[in-house]
Amino acid sequence: NAGVTQTPKFQVLKTGQSMTLQCAQDMNHEYMSWYRQDPGMGLRLIHYSVGAGITDQGEVPNGYNVSRSTTEDFPLRLLSAAPSQTSVYFCASSPGGSYGYTFGSGTRLTVV
Amino acid sequence: QQPVQSPQAVILREGEDAVINCSSSKALYSVHWYRQKHGEAPVFLMILLKGGEQKGHDKISASFNEKKQQSSLYLTASQLSYSGTYFCGTESVARGSTLGRLYFGRGTQLTVWP
Repeated sequence: NAGVTQTPKFQVLKTGQSMTLQCAQDMNHEYMSWYRQDPGMGLRLIHYSVGAGITDQGEVPNGYNVSRSTTEDFPLRLLSAAPSQTSVYFCASSPGGSYGYTFGSGTRLTVV
Repeated sequence: QQPVQSPQAVILREGEDAVINCSSSKALYSVHWYRQKHGEAPVFLMILLKGGEQKGHDKISASFNEKKQQSSLYLTASQLSYSGTYFCGTESVARGSTLGRLYFGRGTQLTVWP
């Protein structure tokens, strides 16, 4: 099992550019989430999904879109990058219930 | 929506004990605990479900007070490997909330010195 795979690991964008952060898991987990981590702010929930075709907003969804067409994949789209979106992004998945989340290794994004 | 963690930072000598607290203003279904080392992804430690169960493995354990919507993580006889940032995450059962929506606190930085 590869677990949760995030690509790319590093990315530099110019303000206004768009891009997609990829997240894939091979554990057949129903729950998947995207978090951003900024110094002193902890992990903040952007969007989450409880199954294929079902997504919902977290606490900081503005400027981001998601879709979940398959159980395995949960891409995060930045529509028009802004310097405030400079952060480390983590994708995580879980079977739900009494199980915790497995995190990907993260994507470090810089917007200039 | 974020749970509140305290303290923000703890410095220990090897062998000492520590307690990290997590509280929420919402009725909780579950509390998760994770540890993150510098430059790495968070790693799941344990989950406590509604019902007040206490869990633990090795010298790390946790409790969940359902009435107070609080959880505590206990680290006993700390080791150098315990250093890192500890996060609690909470899922609420309050009206308008759904499972799968896990909110994290801002973290507690634990440093263990030899």
